[in-house]
Amino acid sequence: DAGITQSPRYKITETGRQVTLMCHQTWSHSYMFWYRQDLGHGLRLIYYSAAADITDKGEVPDGYVVSRSKTENFPLTLESATRSQTSVYFCASSESTFGRADGYTFGSGTRLTVV
Amino acid sequence: QKEVEQNSGPLSVPEGAIASLNCTYSDRGSQSFFWYRQYSGKSPELIMFIYSNGDKEDGRFTAQLNKASQYVSLLIRDSQPSDSATYLCAASGNTPLVFGKGTRLSVIA
Repeated sequence: DAGITQSPRYKITETGRQVTLMCHQTWSHSYMFWYRQDLGHGLRLIYYSAAADITDKGEVPDGYVVSRSKTENFPLTLESATRSQTSVYFCASSESTFGRADGYTFGSGTRLTVV
Repeated sequence: QKEVEQNSGPLSVPEGAIASLNCTYSDRGSQSFFWYRQYSGKSPELIMFIYSNGDKEDGRFTAQLNKASQYVSLLIRDSQPSDSATYLCAASGNTPLVFGKGTRLSVIA
């Protein structure tokens, strides 16, 4: 299927566990992004990537690790999950950082609960 | 810290009325501005973008940009109950999009 897909849609994990959220896009967009969305905070950027093997921190990177070995995939790993990382995580892709005419296209999101 | 500010609402308007959503941004280097709509439990979807001062119309939607005042707005004409959602304003300069917290719009039938 064309587009941007995230998996899993829902995840419950225990404090201290490692969790990986997957993101896959079929457009060959150069840029990919991870945001988290929390009540009262809106969407906040965790990490982004301009191309394979190029990643950079966003506003809230602590506790997260990303990699981008292939253009189409941008997994997000929580190395040791904490309750404060309970959130909805959105992956997005774009042809450019500015978004320009196409803006960012978002995946369906992963709702992560850390207990 | 680059910020985008929105009134959280809720903003309630009757069906058929004009809904006016506002946004201010702190970074004068911002060049591109976007409005996203997000239904409850869903992902944000792009509805409008604007780069130049003035108005930009697309169907029932009009985006307005005033760079001198660092102000962006979205007007929704002939509001419908299906427009009830949270509207996110976003701005970008040479960095990834910064989003506001969103304004919740409720269109009352």
